[in-house]
Amino acid sequence: GAGVSQSPSNKVTEKGKDVELRCDPISGHTALYWYRQSLGQGLEFLIYFQGNSAPDKSGLPSDRFSAERTGGSVSTLTIQRTQQEDSAVYLCASSPTSGSGNEQFFGPGTRLTVL
Amino acid sequence: AQSVAQPEDQVNVAEGNPLTVKCTYSVSGNPYLFWYVQYPNRGLQFLLKYITGDNLVKGSYGFEAEFNKSQTSFHLKKPSALVSDSALYFCAVRDFTQTGANNLFFGTGTRLTVIP
Repeated sequence: GAGVSQSPSNKVTEKGKDVELRCDPISGHTALYWYRQSLGQGLEFLIYFQGNSAPDKSGLPSDRFSAERTGGSVSTLTIQRTQQEDSAVYLCASSPTSGSGNEQFFGPGTRLTVL
Repeated sequence: AQSVAQPEDQVNVAEGNPLTVKCTYSVSGNPYLFWYVQYPNRGLQFLLKYITGDNLVKGSYGFEAEFNKSQTSFHLKKPSALVSDSALYFCAVRDFTQTGANNLFFGTGTRLTVIP
């Protein structure tokens, strides 16, 4: 079946511009996560959605970062007034429920480059 | 607090030899532990997990890992390495006794290179 998809696969933008990154989770998965992977570093948790509950935003690095999940499915991560340090690969993952023993299924990521 | 350490940035092993990728963790409660693999220009793929029960966990592609509570380790192993195993490997932990601990904490990754 279809996995997690993300678009665009690559995004190059100028400092100060806003960007939107999209994630389509696996159909039926209620939990959705965004992570950031910077060069030479592990994955940094950004935000988590579970069903209709309020999202866990504890990992967002600044108020320039926000995310939405419409209809419990597609999610959009928005970065306003991008900075060069925002350059990274942004990974989305989904899992069937919020059960903490469930593995997460990752998308291929969006590589963001801020010039 | 939760954290994961992968002490080796790079591991090189000859094809056909056994491989080990090390991982140690720190949680205040009880852990769920995961290994993921990332091939070039691809997302992370799940390999295996420890939830409860048998300390030796078997996963995809012939990989296995052993949960050692006293040493707080979860090393990834494979008896005979293949060139196609060359990739970036991530260990991750979640403290399932913490409410609201929804996300995984990842190590910084270990790049495995299998030499033909």
